Amino acid sequence: GQQVMQIPQYQHVQEGEDFTTYCNSSTTLSNIQWYKQRPGGHPVFLIQLVKSGEVKKQKRLTFQFGEAKKNSSLHITATQTTDVGTYFCAVSRNSGNTPLVFGKGTRLSVIA
Amino acid sequence: KAGVTQTPRYLIKTRGQQVTLSCSPISGHRSVSWYQQTPGQGLQFLFEYFSETQRNKGNFPGRFSGRQFSNSRSEMNVSTLELGDSALYLCASNLLAGGADTQYFGPGTRLTVL
Repeated sequence: GQQVMQIPQYQHVQEGEDFTTYCNSSTTLSNIQWYKQRPGGHPVFLIQLVKSGEVKKQKRLTFQFGEAKKNSSLHITATQTTDVGTYFCAVSRNSGNTPLVFGKGTRLSVIA
Repeated sequence: KAGVTQTPRYLIKTRGQQVTLSCSPISGHRSVSWYQQTPGQGLQFLFEYFSETQRNKGNFPGRFSGRQFSNSRSEMNVSTLELGDSALYLCASNLLAGGADTQYFGPGTRLTVL
């Protein structure tokens, strides 16, 4: 079945430092989504990437989809304490009626 | 629009009991997906319903079942509870069926099995 590897599992950063999480698949992806889950909360949709090489930005967050559509990254510039949480990627191999497969997530801690 | 609602929010059961969780999707959304979240396994897909039909099913034993009603509300049932069933059960609603659609998650039901 569809597998997706997300690294690192944990990341501790000082406030103001940058942070990057990576999502890798052995197979070509139809699209990739990113979610954020705050401690004690539920996953919240951040963005969806569909095109090869696509780059999207949301304020301090930059999302990239690899040229081969097998990997993606989420980069946060100058982290803040509000960035604390677990970031998940979610992939589907085909568009349409295929369940999303979530990565194990990267838990980000920000030290003030 | 109101978000996804799940009831109850917390539940404590003992081994061997059964439990029913409820999910009301966002108004107009016809697809509901259920996930089990545990620290060790992350988010695991249970099943998806669209227009009262199960469209996809994850790799869980038959003790886990679900259904969807004509008003799109969904329930999931776990019978003969085991300690390992302790988890956060998340429901997500989508406008259309299909994993590529954005998942709008509810707050979850925290199930503890003693």
